[in-house]
Amino acid sequence: QVQLVESGGGVVQPGRSLRLSCAASGFSFSAYAMHWVRQAPGKGLEWVAVMSHDGRNKYYADSVKGRFAISRENSRNTLYLQMNSLRAEDTAFYYCAREGEVQYFDYWGQGTLVTVSS
Amino acid sequence: QSALTQPASVSGSPGQSITISCTGTSSDVGSYNLVSWYQQHPGRAPKLMIYEGSKRPSGVSNRFSGSKSGNTASLTISGLQAEDEADYYCCSYAGSNTWVFGGGTKLTVL
Repeated sequence: QVQLVESGGGVVQPGRSLRLSCAASGFSFSAYAMHWVRQAPGKGLEWVAVMSHDGRNKYYADSVKGRFAISRENSRNTLYLQMNSLRAEDTAFYYCAREGEVQYFDYWGQGTLVTVSS
Repeated sequence: QSALTQPASVSGSPGQSITISCTGTSSDVGSYNLVSWYQQHPGRAPKLMIYEGSKRPSGVSNRFSGSKSGNTASLTISGLQAEDEADYYCCSYAGSNTWVFGGGTKLTVL
């Protein structure tokens, strides 16, 4: 069955960097676009970034553009999110999600918590 | 990339029907038939309930239905059950390879 497992979260100081990983299994990872979606504690969902199935195209929300970088290694069935210049407002659970056939998220990981605090 | 507008909370008794609205703009909800809905129980990951406005994934109860009129999408849950109590989020493709979520609606089953 489809499984997405995020890792790499933790507590980090403002201005520092962190890299999240999402290990995929149970499907042909290289055939699907993949996303990162975040959720501040007690708040709503916010789309963060998407990468095409082949890694050629990537797009970001304005709130993270220029600071975050999405990437993937299809040979390792893994999605990444490099987060630089972190701010307190980046504190959130970060979910990776698979994009279904037409612009929706059909499978989600369990999330990893990133806390930006001094 | 402004969030879609959802009511903060709705409630209903078991067996009743409720509808959650999701209002966007002509740049997102109004431009595309690409609204999806997600159910999230506390401490859990979101779960896809509706996609492309009105389609249900395999395994989702037919008590859940979706529709759209103009810039507003709606999720209707009929025959409310206790396990439906959760947060619900709408999401729309917003063009230029971006997506926008609603602020979320807390459903309480009385």
